Amino acid sequence: AQTVTQSQPEMSVQEAETVTLSCTYDTSESDYYLFWYKQPPSRQMILVIRQEAYKQQNATENRFSVNFQKAAKSFSLKISDSQLGDAAMYFCAYRSNNAGNMLTFGGGTRLMVKP
Amino acid sequence: ETGVTQSPTHLIKTRGQQVTLRCSSQSGHNTVSWYQQALGQGPQFIFQYYREEENGRGNFPPRFSGLQFPNYSSELNVNALELDDSALYLCASSLPGVRGATNYGYTFGSGTRLTVV
Repeated sequence: AQTVTQSQPEMSVQEAETVTLSCTYDTSESDYYLFWYKQPPSRQMILVIRQEAYKQQNATENRFSVNFQKAAKSFSLKISDSQLGDAAMYFCAYRSNNAGNMLTFGGGTRLMVKP
Repeated sequence: ETGVTQSPTHLIKTRGQQVTLRCSSQSGHNTVSWYQQALGQGPQFIFQYYREEENGRGNFPPRFSGLQFPNYSSELNVNALELDDSALYLCASSLPGVRGATNYGYTFGSGTRLTVV
């Protein structure tokens, strides 16, 4: 079974600075997707960024980028120019291409942004 | 394009009772997944429905059951409620995964907060 680990329960960043959230995962598969989701107090999970395992190029979405290290099974999220609206819980998630649409989530990292 | 709607938003039940939670999927999405998110934890996969059939299940007992209707909306039923069932229940709709497809979007609802006392 796949597992996803987020080792940072809480992180804090100054507004306009850069912060990196860590995620490691364990799998024996080679074909999968990785995701970062944001969960604000409204509780709805919002997709931040996704990475296809067969693509070597790291995904980027505006201020959000990932550092995908397939051999190390590491998938970190970098948030540049942090904004107050970035404050939320962030979850790393794994999806196998061989097991339907099931997402396996990490335990989450609470990001606080200081003005 | 409508999103995913879950009802009710909050619910309080007594241990031993039964509960039904409802989810309307996003327009065009034919797959619905349910997740349980205990306080301070990440969501755990309960099960998934595709074309009205369960086609994936996580490590949850049979007292967690579900339905999917022809319009792709879904229900989650929990029998014999236990205190540990207190959690946020999230519904997510999507299209089924296809290798090479560009759309792996999951649309989540805002959840139902269930408290068992």
